[in-house]
Amino acid sequence: LAKTTQPISMDSYEGQEVNITCSHNNIATNDYITWYQQFPSQGPRFIIQGYKTKVTNEVASLFIPADRKSSTLSLPRVSLSDTAVYYCLVALDNNDMRFGAGTRLTVKP
Amino acid sequence: SQTIHQWPATLVQPVGSPLSLECTVEGTSNPNLYWYRQAAGRGLQLLFYSVGIGQISSEVPQNLSASRPQDRQFILSSKKLLLSDSGFYLCAWSRRPPQAYEQYFGPGTRLTVT
Repeated sequence: LAKTTQPISMDSYEGQEVNITCSHNNIATNDYITWYQQFPSQGPRFIIQGYKTKVTNEVASLFIPADRKSSTLSLPRVSLSDTAVYYCLVALDNNDMRFGAGTRLTVKP
Repeated sequence: SQTIHQWPATLVQPVGSPLSLECTVEGTSNPNLYWYRQAAGRGLQLLFYSVGIGQISSEVPQNLSASRPQDRQFILSSKKLLLSDSGFYLCAWSRRPPQAYEQYFGPGTRLTVT
């Protein structure tokens, strides 16, 4: 199973773009990269998923370099409500997914 | 639309007592089902997953067990709770491959073992 490494915490201010990078050096050929968001006392919520290059949806963008050994979640113009824990997961399918400690993002006014 | 229910929302149980947490999913069929536990300030730990009725895979040796008596029902049980069983228990479902990657989580049960 691919192991991921991401910063424990990050601070930002409202209106800024936030980039959270995740390292997954031993990612397997068929693994996908998935990001989740979790608010206190709630279950995680799917944000975005990708395999290579760039994926964008209405919430975030996911950048994956050619070697796929890392990925960057980009949140444009964050607001206070984006304060949450963000998890990076690498797996072939859901039965292999393992949530680490995640990155605690704090958005300040 | 699909919904996932968990109950109870909160639970306080003494050490050595039994446990039964229930999770049900509506609006979908043949889902994959998952039980996670989250200790305070920690990430999620996958406890069990199920790809079908009666099919349970255990991820971590422990005094917990899981059962899936019906397609959309997933139960987490224990015969004797330990203090270390305290935590936030989350049930999740996902579609079968090739659409299996997004997991949908329930509201969770906060268990305190005293």
